Amino acid sequence: NAGVMQNPRHLVRRRGQEARLRCSPMKGHSHVYWYRQLPEEGLKFMVYLQKENIIDESGMPKERFSAEFPKEGPSILRIQQVVRGDSAAYFCASSPSGRGSNQETQYFGPGTRLLVL
Amino acid sequence: KNQVEQSPQSLIILEGKNCTLQCNYTVSPFSNLRWYKQDTGRGPVSLTIMTFSENTKSNGRYTATLDADTKQSSLHITASQLSDSASYICVARQTGANNLFFGTGTRLTVIP
Repeated sequence: NAGVMQNPRHLVRRRGQEARLRCSPMKGHSHVYWYRQLPEEGLKFMVYLQKENIIDESGMPKERFSAEFPKEGPSILRIQQVVRGDSAAYFCASSPSGRGSNQETQYFGPGTRLLVL
Repeated sequence: KNQVEQSPQSLIILEGKNCTLQCNYTVSPFSNLRWYKQDTGRGPVSLTIMTFSENTKSNGRYTATLDADTKQSSLHITASQLSDSASYICVARQTGANNLFFGTGTRLTVIP
């Protein structure tokens, strides 16, 4: 059973370009979470999705950032018109169940390191 | 404000020695606390999970403690190995929410 997969592992973009980060959850997991880790900081929650639904996007910046988890295919975190401050590691996690199951484990992917030049 | 603070920020120990990492949290209402190990360039991996009613939990050479009254947790590593070199992250969870509050981690380096 492959773990959570993220690609690309490293992504370099120039200011103003778009970044697309992909996350394939573990088999059988229908809950996906995105986190951002800035240098020297802890992971910060961005968004929680189930298949075809955004459940909680309270951690997402209001502009330029969007996320989706379609019925088929990976979850996508999209950053439009990237700026230098978007440079960070973006981690995806998946779990077999969501809210109401407080002890369920989130399994993390290896992350995508975004560098904006 | 919900937050998690860890200390020390970094730690270097000799192989075979023991060490203890500290975590203070102010997350409320509190559900559970996990310790994660994050190797360089990898995602975090769960080591232990404790609810407010649990005082201690072991996973091999890792032993975590939790004092829900003082809102403190510790992770004790026994007989350290070179492969223990990693960041150890304390994560507290709110009851009913799926948000996790992450500490900034303790960077442990085990040297031969």
